[in-house]
Amino acid sequence: GAGVSQTPSNKVTEKGKYVELRCDPISGHTALYWYRQSLGQGPEFLIYFQGTGAADDSGLPNDRFFAVRPEGSVSTLKIQRTERGDSAVYLCASSPDRGYNEQFFGPGTRLTVL
Amino acid sequence: AQSVTQLGSHVSVSEGALVLLRCNYSSSVPPYLFWYVQYPNQGLQLLLKYTSAATLVKGINGFEAEFKKSETSFHLTKPSAHMSDAAEYFCAVSATGANNLFFGTGTRLTVIP
Repeated sequence: GAGVSQTPSNKVTEKGKYVELRCDPISGHTALYWYRQSLGQGPEFLIYFQGTGAADDSGLPNDRFFAVRPEGSVSTLKIQRTERGDSAVYLCASSPDRGYNEQFFGPGTRLTVL
Repeated sequence: AQSVTQLGSHVSVSEGALVLLRCNYSSSVPPYLFWYVQYPNQGLQLLLKYTSAATLVKGINGFEAEFKKSETSFHLTKPSAHMSDAAEYFCAVSATGANNLFFGTGTRLTVIP
């Protein structure tokens, strides 16, 4: 079956611009996670959705970052007024249910802010 | 709070040699522990996981890891390295029943022919 997909695979933008990153989870998975992986680091948690609601957004670095999942499937991570420090690979993962102990990761979106 | 430390950002082994990648964790509650592998331009793939059952966990591709509470360790091993094992390996921890993973900084494994 299809895994987690993310689009675009690469995004180059200029400082101050707005970007949207999309995640399509595995069909039927109710839990969805966003992580950010900076160069030379492990992934860092950003936000977790259970269904349509953000159950835990404690990892979002500031109010420039926002994520939605309006129909409980596809999710979009939105970054306003991008900064060079936002450059990273943004990873999405999904799992069948809350508390299920395996997360299935997508290939990521590499964001470069010039 | 949960965290992991991976000792050695780069490890090189000869083909056929033992692979040992180190991971130590910190957790205020009984942890779930994971090893993920990341091949170039691919997503993270789960190798194995510890969820409070058997302390010796066997995963895919011949890898295994042993949970040692007294040492707060969860080291990853494979008896004989293969060229296809070259990748980045991440150890991760979560609190029992929690939702987000805390990852280490990763260890890049190089296999020398």
